[in-house]
Amino acid sequence: TQLLEQSPQFLSIQEGENLTVYCNSSSVFSSLQWYRQEPGEGPVLLVTVVTGGEVKKLKRLTFQFGDARKDSSLHITAAQPGDTGLYLCAGPNSGNTGKLIFGQGTTLQVKP
Amino acid sequence: DTGVSQNPRHKITKRGQNVTFRCDPISEHNRLYWYRQTLGQGPEFLTYFQNEAQLEKSRLLSDRFSAERPKGSFSTLEIQRTEQGDSAMYLCASSLLTDYGYTFGSGTRLTVV
Repeated sequence: TQLLEQSPQFLSIQEGENLTVYCNSSSVFSSLQWYRQEPGEGPVLLVTVVTGGEVKKLKRLTFQFGDARKDSSLHITAAQPGDTGLYLCAGPNSGNTGKLIFGQGTTLQVKP
Repeated sequence: DTGVSQNPRHKITKRGQNVTFRCDPISEHNRLYWYRQTLGQGPEFLTYFQNEAQLEKSRLLSDRFSAERPKGSFSTLEIQRTEQGDSAMYLCASSLLTDYGYTFGSGTRLTVV
């Protein structure tokens, strides 16, 4: 069974601090995605990483896919209160049927 | 296109009642997915459709759950004889056949009292 484990599960920081969220698996994934979800809303896709070692940047967010395609990280520089939310990593199941497997999420709270 | 639309946004029902949720996906998306999410956790897969065909159904989905996607357009998820453990956010998402990037709706929050 493919599993994605995220750490930490909860993070509370002050505005302006940097942070990193991790997404790990013992399985190889063809790609990994990161979503952000605000309370009462559905997740919104931030990025998809496809190639081992790939790094993508989205303003203050940096996403990296591990060389072996078993893990990924999300680094936020100078966090702002607007970054508050649930961050989810997800990857396609091994059968490539279109189904995504989600990690349990990292809840980020950025205090002003 | 206004994205994925889910109705209702909130539903409170008594234990034992039946409920039905509706999802209208992005019109050109072939695939439609239903997930369930409890507070602070990641979404759990329930079922998905490619056009009108239901291709996979999770073992989490008991016989009380049924989903349809007539004509490959909107979809409905019905829960019969609701239980308190069914209380959760039910999320619908759609995607293109060749793209794993999901577009989610805002979800339907179900509370069973």
